[in-house]
Amino acid sequence: NAGVTQTPKFRILKIGQSMTLQCTQDMNHNYMYWYRQDPGMGLKLIYYSVGAGITDKGEVPNGYNVSRSTTEDFPLRLELAAPSQTSVYFCASTKAGSGHYNEQFFGPGTRLTVL
Amino acid sequence: QKEVEQDPGPLSVPEGAIVSLNCTYSNSAFQYFMWYRQYSRKGPELLMYTYSSGNKEDGRFTAQVDKSSKYISLFIRDSQPSDSATYLCAFIQGAQKLVFGQGTRLTINP
Repeated sequence: NAGVTQTPKFRILKIGQSMTLQCTQDMNHNYMYWYRQDPGMGLKLIYYSVGAGITDKGEVPNGYNVSRSTTEDFPLRLELAAPSQTSVYFCASTKAGSGHYNEQFFGPGTRLTVL
Repeated sequence: QKEVEQDPGPLSVPEGAIVSLNCTYSNSAFQYFMWYRQYSRKGPELLMYTYSSGNKEDGRFTAQVDKSSKYISLFIRDSQPSDSATYLCAFIQGAQKLVFGQGTRLTINP
């Protein structure tokens, strides 16, 4: 199992450009998440998905879009990049059941700089 | 009031010391209480979790939860240089969404 993989590892964007951050998991997890982590801070939830075709906003969704057409993939789209989107982006997944906690597994992150 | 407040540190202690990391939270609906460890330039990894007040031990690590005070702690005994990392407290909301503290960077000096 590769677990959760993210591409690219690093990217520099110019203001106003767009890009898609890729996330794939091979653990047959139904729930997937996108978080961002600013320097010296904890992670904040951008978007999440509880299954293919179902997505919802987290705490900081503005400036981002997601889609979930398959169980394995959960891409994050940045439209019109702004310096405030400079951050490290983490994708995570879990096999959620009812009534108890299941560990979320995180990818290695994508380090994005917007200049 | 922030939903989660974590003592930000950073902390630097000698090898073998006992380390105490702390978080307070305001949301009574939080049901699971977690500690994640994050090495530099890596994703977070779950270290421990619990869902009830009291202590939970795992080797050199002890997680402590006081629901009445809305306070959780992580203790590390006999700290090792390999424990040097950022430690994040985290809590579960609906749809298993995680709410994180801002993290404490810990350095264990040989």
